[in-house]
Amino acid sequence: AQSVTQLGSHVSVSEGALVLLRCNYSSSVPPYLFWYVQYPNQGLQLLLKYTSAATLVKGINGFEAEFKKSETSFHLTKPSAHMSDAAEYFCAVSDPATGNQFYFGTGTSLTVIP
Amino acid sequence: EAGVVQSPRYKIIEKKQPVAFWCNPISGHNTLYWYRQNLGQGPELLIRYENEEAVDDSQLPKDRFSAERLKGVDSTLKIQPAELGDSAVYLCASSLGGVPGEQYFGPGTRLTVT
Repeated sequence: AQSVTQLGSHVSVSEGALVLLRCNYSSSVPPYLFWYVQYPNQGLQLLLKYTSAATLVKGINGFEAEFKKSETSFHLTKPSAHMSDAAEYFCAVSDPATGNQFYFGTGTSLTVIP
Repeated sequence: EAGVVQSPRYKIIEKKQPVAFWCNPISGHNTLYWYRQNLGQGPELLIRYENEEAVDDSQLPKDRFSAERLKGVDSTLKIQPAELGDSAVYLCASSLGGVPGEQYFGPGTRLTVT
């Protein structure tokens, strides 16, 4: 079965600093990978997705993620954090071999310090 | 374009009472999902519909949970009777299908069982 591990349930960065949120997956075949963001009292919003095309994926709000098969990772980065980036971030995996069943990680709460 | 609509946004009930949640997906989206999100956790799939057919309900606690999607559009998720452990946010999402992971989420219904 697929699983997703997000290292660090809470991450704090200073405004303007690099954001790095970690995600590792377990899969015997290359899955589809996603990052979603959830603001307080709102549903999840897709930031970006990897579906076996370019390994470096650019998303909305200046975020990007790189698929590294050798490391089974899909870490999310942003060069310069804004206050508005404070939210909960979820990594998710979808396995084409199992009918695209979808699994979310436990989430990382990002705090941006002024 | 209207997003996924859910109602109610908040619900407080006593244990053993029934409760129902309603979801209206984005127009034209044939795939509909119900997720449960416990505090500090990622969403967990309860049931997935392709049009009016439930194609994945393996995680739905069928002794107390039921769902329907009449005419392949709106959907209702019901719990009867509710237990204390059912307190969570219930998220509805929809997608066009055929594009893994591009799910659009509603704001969720926060259920508190006392």
